[in-house]
Amino acid sequence: DAKTTQPPSMDCAEGRAANLPCNHSTISGNEYVYWYRQIHSQGPQYIIHGLKNNETNEMASLIITEDRKSSTLILPHATLRDTAVYYCIVRSYGQNFVFGPGTRLSVLP
Amino acid sequence: EAEVAQSPRYKITEKSQAVAFWCDPISGHATLYWYRQILGQGPELLVQFQDESVVDDSQLPKDRFSAERLKGVDSTLKIQPAELGDSAMYLCASTPTPVGVYAEAFFGQGTRLTVV
Repeated sequence: DAKTTQPPSMDCAEGRAANLPCNHSTISGNEYVYWYRQIHSQGPQYIIHGLKNNETNEMASLIITEDRKSSTLILPHATLRDTAVYYCIVRSYGQNFVFGPGTRLSVLP
Repeated sequence: EAEVAQSPRYKITEKSQAVAFWCDPISGHATLYWYRQILGQGPELLVQFQDESVVDDSQLPKDRFSAERLKGVDSTLKIQPAELGDSAMYLCASTPTPVGVYAEAFFGQGTRLTVV
């Protein structure tokens, strides 16, 4: 079973920041937080991952709370192409990636 | 940019027939995963390989599904006989473990199977 909880759906206005929350209250010390997204009929696309420090790359920022029990994925300027299902995954070394149902993000014009 | 290659992209088969999917991971990636994704749900692991060895096949329906990665490179997933409930997207992914312990997995575009 997935170790994370995400809202089933969210809307965001085009050009605004999209903030996608994830709860992982049972995370252990050696588990990383990963984010993937899946655009309709395509394979999941890696976005970002982190352990405890905030991370940023060209796609997004990942903010992890100090107690590591939750995180937020931030898409700074959402576009229509960011409409997708976003998955938050908690994983330790050697484990497979366990997907939950994710959050369906709709970016509205 | 290196990609995980999967074929075919789409497959329609009749129930009780055999069907096979092929995956070529990114060069040098030791770990390979097969996932199944039913419409509206997240992907679920079927089998995980480390090189040519199976690490986890606990969720693979072994009465009809088989997977192999003979030379530790490309892999084949087979279903025989196919059932209507097998209609799904079959996804392959790879990671460069053991180099890059917490490295991300790269997914292919999947094979969309429809059993009629």
